[in-house]
Amino acid sequence: EDKVVQSPLSLVVHEGDTVTLNCSYEVTNFRSLLWYKQEKKAPTFLFMLTSSGIEKKSGRLSSILDKKELSSILNITATQTGDSAIYLCAGGATNKLIFGTGTLLAVQP
Amino acid sequence: DAGVIQSPRHEVTEMGQEVTLRCKPISGHDYLFWYRQTMMRGLELLIYFNNNVPIDDSGMPEDRFSAKMPNASFSTLKIQPSEPRDSAVYFCASTPRLVAKNIQYFGAGTRLSVL
Repeated sequence: EDKVVQSPLSLVVHEGDTVTLNCSYEVTNFRSLLWYKQEKKAPTFLFMLTSSGIEKKSGRLSSILDKKELSSILNITATQTGDSAIYLCAGGATNKLIFGTGTLLAVQP
Repeated sequence: DAGVIQSPRHEVTEMGQEVTLRCKPISGHDYLFWYRQTMMRGLELLIYFNNNVPIDDSGMPEDRFSAKMPNASFSTLKIQPSEPRDSAVYFCASTPRLVAKNIQYFGAGTRLSVL
């Protein structure tokens, strides 16, 4: 059965800290790994990774995929209170996404 | 574009009642997905459509759930009869083509509470 596992389940940090969120996957016909940020409502897209070892970066956020280890990490540097959210990882198969249960990040001032 | 539009935003109903959730995908998107999100199980895919045709409904929990897409701009998810364990946030998402190559765009969700 396809599955995506994220760790930690939750995390509390202080503003300015750097955090690393982990995602491992077992997805049949794997094609891509996606990260979403979910605040109070809809998940919003952050990154899509298809190639191993190539870092994608957007401001203070970056992510990389390791196809050998079937895993990905999402890094957030210099965290801000606005980064508080649930971060979802999803494995993209032929026609659908399989989501992990997410990491709840709380950034305290 | 207005994005994926879902209605209602909140629904409170009593056990045994019929519930209908609505979704308008982004114009031009060929794929539409219905998800259910709970604390325990996270985001679960219920069903998805391609060009208005249901492709995979293996995630639909039981016969009480049904989904339709009568045209390219409208889909419904119906629960009849509803039960307290159906309480969750239901999301609709759309994408222009095969999801593995494209990003799913989510609506704001419908928070369903069944008393």
